[in-house]
Amino acid sequence: SQTIHQWPATLVQPVGSPLSLECTVEGTSNPNLYWYRQAAGRGLQLLFYSVGIGQISSEVPQNLSASRPQDRQFILSSKKLLLSDSGFYLCAWNRVSGANVLTFGAGSRLTVL
Amino acid sequence: KNQVEQSPQSLIILEGKNCTLQCNYTVSPFSNLRWYKQDTGRGPVSLTIMTFSENTKSNGRYTATLDADTKQSSLHITASQLSDSASYICVVRDSGGYQKVTFGIGTKLQVIP
Repeated sequence: SQTIHQWPATLVQPVGSPLSLECTVEGTSNPNLYWYRQAAGRGLQLLFYSVGIGQISSEVPQNLSASRPQDRQFILSSKKLLLSDSGFYLCAWNRVSGANVLTFGAGSRLTVL
Repeated sequence: KNQVEQSPQSLIILEGKNCTLQCNYTVSPFSNLRWYKQDTGRGPVSLTIMTFSENTKSNGRYTATLDADTKQSSLHITASQLSDSASYICVVRDSGGYQKVTFGIGTKLQVIP
């Protein structure tokens, strides 16, 4: 069976510090990978998606970047965090074919102080 | 612009009672609609998927309906339990080239004893 792991679960960082959130998927190959942000009172906002190694598409201009160094690894990064980067970050995966159900990780709660 | 609107934003019901959550969408061309359940601090989990030709689909005490003509969906929860307390998110996928999904903000349901 497929599983998705996301860490860390909780992170408190000062403004200006770097960020690295990691997501890995097991039990499948060549998944589509996604990073979403969920702000309080708002729907999930797609930040990045990737259809293959080294292929990253950005949905919104922002202070964050993503990388996919391996087939089942997706990393969300920032060189200098802003207060507005605080939020709940969710990694997800799906297959291109079939019902396309998104399977989400447990999420990472980021607080920038 | 694709949009998904959910109502009510929040709902409090007594344990054992039924409730219905609404979702209206303007996603086009339509591919499918999913209802997700998101427990606090966790990633969303898929409950049901509805395609264009499906009107009703049940998953235990959850019953989803879809009216593709009026572009409305509902999620009915029967005999609510305390564990039903969560946010319920309506997600609509289009059938375009990248098959993008649009998320509703969600309805926050609280079941009280």
